[in-house]
Amino acid sequence: NAGVTQTPKFQVLKTGQSMTLQCAQDMNHNSMYWYRQDPGMGLRLIYYSASEGTTDKGEVPNGYNVSRLNKREFSLRLESAAPSQTSVYFCASSEPGTDQPQHFGDGTRLSIL
Amino acid sequence: AQSVTQLDSQVPVFEEAPVELRCNYSSSVSVYLFWYVQYPNQGLQLLLKYLSGSTLVKGINGFEAEFNKSQTSFHLRKPSVHISDTAEYFCAVSPNDYKLSFGAGTTVTVRA
Repeated sequence: NAGVTQTPKFQVLKTGQSMTLQCAQDMNHNSMYWYRQDPGMGLRLIYYSASEGTTDKGEVPNGYNVSRLNKREFSLRLESAAPSQTSVYFCASSEPGTDQPQHFGDGTRLSIL
Repeated sequence: AQSVTQLDSQVPVFEEAPVELRCNYSSSVSVYLFWYVQYPNQGLQLLLKYLSGSTLVKGINGFEAEFNKSQTSFHLRKPSVHISDTAEYFCAVSPNDYKLSFGAGTTVTVRA
């Protein structure tokens, strides 16, 4: 089925380690997003890419970097993981101007010890 | 900037009873409004959206929501819930049609 694919689904890191979360969509969407979900806080936007070649900070960008590798792929990197980054990370994509909502992946559950 | 307040963090309800989830938003510009559902260990799925037109919006699985501009609300309702409606529900707003701001979520637990 068409959609948003995130890898890995689960990961445990030690403080200070680095990691890249991968996201790919096959819906030919121009816009892609990274969110983190924490209990009682809903989803908060980390970074987004309105179109290929552009990236912008969201609400909580500190400690993260992103790369829009091509139209399909949008990766999120933690250079030096901290326990405060323990969360569930969601990638989403959308096509602005088409009346279609954002489509979400199934999430990556990341624990940092 | 936009913000979203979901007024109830937990809503327990009996099977076949009605449920209402409350959502208020603030924004200095016109917004699009959404309700998403998240089942355990899954991503978010769109239930319904309001972009323009009729203020009563019907979505999937028997849910509907009403946009009230004067009260800046977008409450979600279902007349009769099922066990399978147990999930977390998120209200979200967008000033354009891509960046979303989410509420903190409402956990609905349906009991037999």
